[in-house]
Amino acid sequence: EAEVAQSPRYKITEKSQAVAFWCDPISGHATLYWYRQILGQGPELLVQFQDESVVDDSQLPKDRFSAERLKGVDSTLKIQPAELGDSAMYLCASSLPDSTGELFFGEGSRLTVL
Amino acid sequence: AQSVTQLDSQVPVFEEAPVELRCNYSSSVSVYLFWYVQYPNQGLQLLLKYLSGSTLVKGINGFEAEFNKSQTSFHLRKPSVHISDTAEYFCAVSDPYQGGKLIFGQGTELSVKP
Repeated sequence: EAEVAQSPRYKITEKSQAVAFWCDPISGHATLYWYRQILGQGPELLVQFQDESVVDDSQLPKDRFSAERLKGVDSTLKIQPAELGDSAMYLCASSLPDSTGELFFGEGSRLTVL
Repeated sequence: AQSVTQLDSQVPVFEEAPVELRCNYSSSVSVYLFWYVQYPNQGLQLLLKYLSGSTLVKGINGFEAEFNKSQTSFHLRKPSVHISDTAEYFCAVSDPYQGGKLIFGQGTELSVKP
């Protein structure tokens, strides 16, 4: 069964350091999402891609966060510099272009900032 | 803009008992509604979805949900729970005209006790 792949699963870093997360969506899924899930809360959308184009990044803190999907396939989410409040699970999801909201999620990357 | 409120943050229940997880939503337009489940340290998995048609929707693992437009609710039910149902459950909404982006509630932790 096709899955969304994410790495690393766990990342511990010190504040002010740079960190990057990688996501490989299900083959053929043109839409890719990055969500942030703070412990005890629901996921919040950071950025949505349609192929290589950003559709929605209104909730992405652009002073420190960046996301790219250069060839419209895999994607990287970067944080620089990391802050204590960035500790969270970063979830990647993908869907077909005509999705009715059925997203397929990866297992997530858990970030701890010390 | 849409929003989702899950009325219970934690629901403890004994094995084989029935359970209902409550979800209310707010939207000025028609929406699609979803329930996702998240097991510890994993991504989210779709339980069921309401797009249109019958207001009673059946999903995986014996769960079902009923869409009530007048009450703006989409409560999740299961007549008899198992230990393996212990997980975090998220209600979510999407705007059919906004490209599949999901807005999640805060989550309900279901704890099934023997």
